[in-house]
Amino acid sequence: QSVLTQPPSASGTPGQRVPISCSGSNSNIGTNTVNWYQQLPGTAPKLLIYSNNQRPSGVPDRFSGSKSGTSASLAISGLQSEDEADYYCAAWDDSLNGYVFGTGTKVTVL
Amino acid sequence: QITLKESGPTLVKPTQTLTLTCTFSGFSLTTSGVGVGWIRQAPGEALEWLALIYWNGDKRYSPSLKSRLTITKDTSKNEIVLTMTNMDPVDTATYYCAHFSLRSYGDYVSSVFDSWGQGTLVTVSS
Repeated sequence: QSVLTQPPSASGTPGQRVPISCSGSNSNIGTNTVNWYQQLPGTAPKLLIYSNNQRPSGVPDRFSGSKSGTSASLAISGLQSEDEADYYCAAWDDSLNGYVFGTGTKVTVL
Repeated sequence: QITLKESGPTLVKPTQTLTLTCTFSGFSLTTSGVGVGWIRQAPGEALEWLALIYWNGDKRYSPSLKSRLTITKDTSKNEIVLTMTNMDPVDTATYYCAHFSLRSYGDYVSSVFDSWGQGTLVTVSS
């Protein structure tokens, strides 16, 4: 029962730029900061972007985040084969008084 | 370095109660702005937040599962326990615990699960 909506899939060739959208509402993205997670096959999610556009230490600058209104976006520039994974957006929701995740986007490197 | 590890049964029967323990290190749950939560992921499905306990003892639960969940902390042992009652096969999932950070930056507040455990697969079957 994901509250945030993402496209189920995205793809690109090595070196391309791939954007991933995340649509929410006023009670989550419209009011609070957005975080992004990368989940490689068979592993736990890893924080990729926090507070809309901040990268934790060690995350390549190929990954960038942005937010506008009730939507957010993750961009992968210079796509690499190791970027093939599932990506999730997330935010706090003031109406639910809890943390909500997106539906997830599977990125394929062609 | 923050680490978290989940432990508990790998198989439970329908109607039973699931008890999972998260053992953590590298931070203190008495520090302001810190929390620990639980998130699950059914096979092939998206992440689903379940519960969160803050440094001050406040608790938050997923509205859809609130009646079945209880989260507690033992600060002296660096442990968080999640219980889920009346388990059903649809509750089959990998259960993760994660460190939560709540920070105020003036004009906005950052809320994020920033470090995760490896997860534990729980299967519900008779």
